[in-house]
Amino acid sequence: GAGVSQTPSNKVTEKGKYVELRCDPISGHTALYWYRQSLGQGPEFLIYFQGTGAADDSGLPNDRFFAVRPEGSVSTLKIQRTERGDSAVYLCASSPTRREADTQYFGPGTRLTVL
Amino acid sequence: GNSVTQMEGPVTLSEEAFLTINCTYTATGYPSLFWYVQYPGEGLQLLLKATKADDKGSNKGFEATYRKETTSFHLEKGSVQVSDSAVYFCALVLSGNTPLVFGKGTRLSVIA
Repeated sequence: GAGVSQTPSNKVTEKGKYVELRCDPISGHTALYWYRQSLGQGPEFLIYFQGTGAADDSGLPNDRFFAVRPEGSVSTLKIQRTERGDSAVYLCASSPTRREADTQYFGPGTRLTVL
Repeated sequence: GNSVTQMEGPVTLSEEAFLTINCTYTATGYPSLFWYVQYPGEGLQLLLKATKADDKGSNKGFEATYRKETTSFHLEKGSVQVSDSAVYFCALVLSGNTPLVFGKGTRLSVIA
């Protein structure tokens, strides 16, 4: 089926505002990951879901960041009280659970700009 | 901890030149190794992978061999094209369904 999709592709917001970023994984992939890519850097892990639960959220930088995946498919990354340092490209990836579970497929990303 | 180190860019080559991008890793276990590519304006795409020592991953003329003794996974291509201009990321994962650890990326520019 289709690849990983992310919306919006671009989001511009003001400091202090709340934003939501959405990820729709590849159909049938139970594992879903969020990464953040700052300019000139490689992606850095934020949080990983297996099904509906967050299996590892050790990469979330602080309690302003939160993510959910209530039905085990679409996930939303939520950022409260945004700061200029949150500006980055937020990437979502998914992977199958069994065969080739080590291989992650990425969406196009959401570019977040905090003014 | 687990980490990936890849050569600093940018790398600029003429068309048909030989390409090597070095990548070394540190891992607490036996990782799978990957090269991802990010073309201008596009998302990350898996280029190739290798899951165990001495495996060779290959795709689109690119190759990389998993060298456990030197903890390396260098990317090579015999003859680059302008269309290969992109940012290349080396990455590892310790096991299925765990986070990828990326290097900082190497920007490649190929000129005609």
